[in-house]
Amino acid sequence: GAGVSQSPSNKVTEKGKDVELRCDPISGHTALYWYRQSLGQGLEFLIYFQGNSAPDKSGLPSDRFSAERTGGSVSTLTIQRTQQEDSAVYLCASSLALAGGGPDTQYFGPGTRLTVL
Amino acid sequence: AQTVTQSQPEMSVQEAETVTLSCTYDTSESDYYLFWYKQPPSRQMILVIRQEAYKQQNATENRFSVNFQKAAKSFSLKISDSQLGDAAMYFCAYRSEIYGGSQGNLIFGKGTKLSVKP
Repeated sequence: GAGVSQSPSNKVTEKGKDVELRCDPISGHTALYWYRQSLGQGLEFLIYFQGNSAPDKSGLPSDRFSAERTGGSVSTLTIQRTQQEDSAVYLCASSLALAGGGPDTQYFGPGTRLTVL
Repeated sequence: AQTVTQSQPEMSVQEAETVTLSCTYDTSESDYYLFWYKQPPSRQMILVIRQEAYKQQNATENRFSVNFQKAAKSFSLKISDSQLGDAAMYFCAYRSEIYGGSQGNLIFGKGTKLSVKP
């Protein structure tokens, strides 16, 4: 079946502009995650959606970052007033998140490379 | 808070040889999961292997196997018969056990870049 897809693949923007990054999870996956991969910083967790529960926003670096997930499927990560330090690859992942717990493997999309000039 | 450490920023192996990538982690939890992900230049993170902490038997997936030492909090990845296609960044990751839908995000190490020489 189709994997996790993300768009755009690459995004170049000017400092101060807003950007929206999109993630389409695997059909049937109830959990969705956003991570940021920066040079020298590795992969850091940003936000986590699980079903209809309130999202876990504990990883968002500032209030310029927000995300929503509509209809339990597609998610959009929005960065307002972008700064140069926001330049990174933004990765989305989804998982089944069965009620009984378990390894719950996360499947990743190809990411969006954001460059802020 | 849990942390994951990969002490080898870069490794190199000859094609057909065996290489071991190191990973250590710090946690006070008893139930958790450990993963190795591969990230080729295409950026797509691909699951290589996973290990449940409650299982004493080391996980294996074809040419990939792990050496899981729970007491030492060590989780190394062994790649046997290395192939050119194995060249990539390898990330070790930790995830807590989920009970009742609590936090399930992965905590990653900084990665090891593996080169395979023909």
